[in-house]
Amino acid sequence: GQQLNQSPQSMFIQEGEDVSMNCTSSSIFNTWLWYKQDPGEGPVLLIALYKAGELTSNGRLTAQFGITRKDSFLNISASIPSDVGIYFCAGQGPFGNEKLTFGTGTRLTIIP
Amino acid sequence: EPEVTQTPSHQVTQMGQEVILRCVPISNHLYFYWYRQILGQKVEFLVSFYNNEISEKSEIFDDQFSVERPDGSNFTLKIRSTKLEDSAMYFCASSEVEGSEQYFGPGTRLTVT
Repeated sequence: GQQLNQSPQSMFIQEGEDVSMNCTSSSIFNTWLWYKQDPGEGPVLLIALYKAGELTSNGRLTAQFGITRKDSFLNISASIPSDVGIYFCAGQGPFGNEKLTFGTGTRLTIIP
Repeated sequence: EPEVTQTPSHQVTQMGQEVILRCVPISNHLYFYWYRQILGQKVEFLVSFYNNEISEKSEIFDDQFSVERPDGSNFTLKIRSTKLEDSAMYFCASSEVEGSEQYFGPGTRLTVT
């Protein structure tokens, strides 16, 4: 089946720093999505990307859909304490396939 | 803002018992999904549902699992005879049209003892 590798697995940063994480796949996707999950809660949609090469921002978050359709990255600028959590990428497609294939997650911790 | 809701938030059951997990998708959404997440692992797809039938299911979704939309608002996941390894968070999700963003509920934590 489709596999998504997400890196890094975890990040320890100081408040105010910028964060970058990425996701790579062995197969192509039509859509890339980024979700954030807090402990004991459901994934919350952050950004959705629909076209290869697309660069989309949502506040301090920026994500890009790779040209090859096999990768995506998420950047968070000027991190704040509420950014703590696990970030998952998810791919959908490529042939009208509705299910999401999730990445392995990046755990973000902010050091006081 | 409309959201997906799930009940119960936590269900404890004994091995071999049947459980039904309930979801109310966002009201104008037409596609419904169940996913599960074993503690500390990634989210895994179970099943997708559209127009009152299953459109896709994963290898995890075996004969012990079934889904139903019993009325115009609820979407349920039934596990007929639970096993210890069914312990996980179960998430319902919905989307407006095929290929559009999927919105997740808060999950039901299922503990099988």
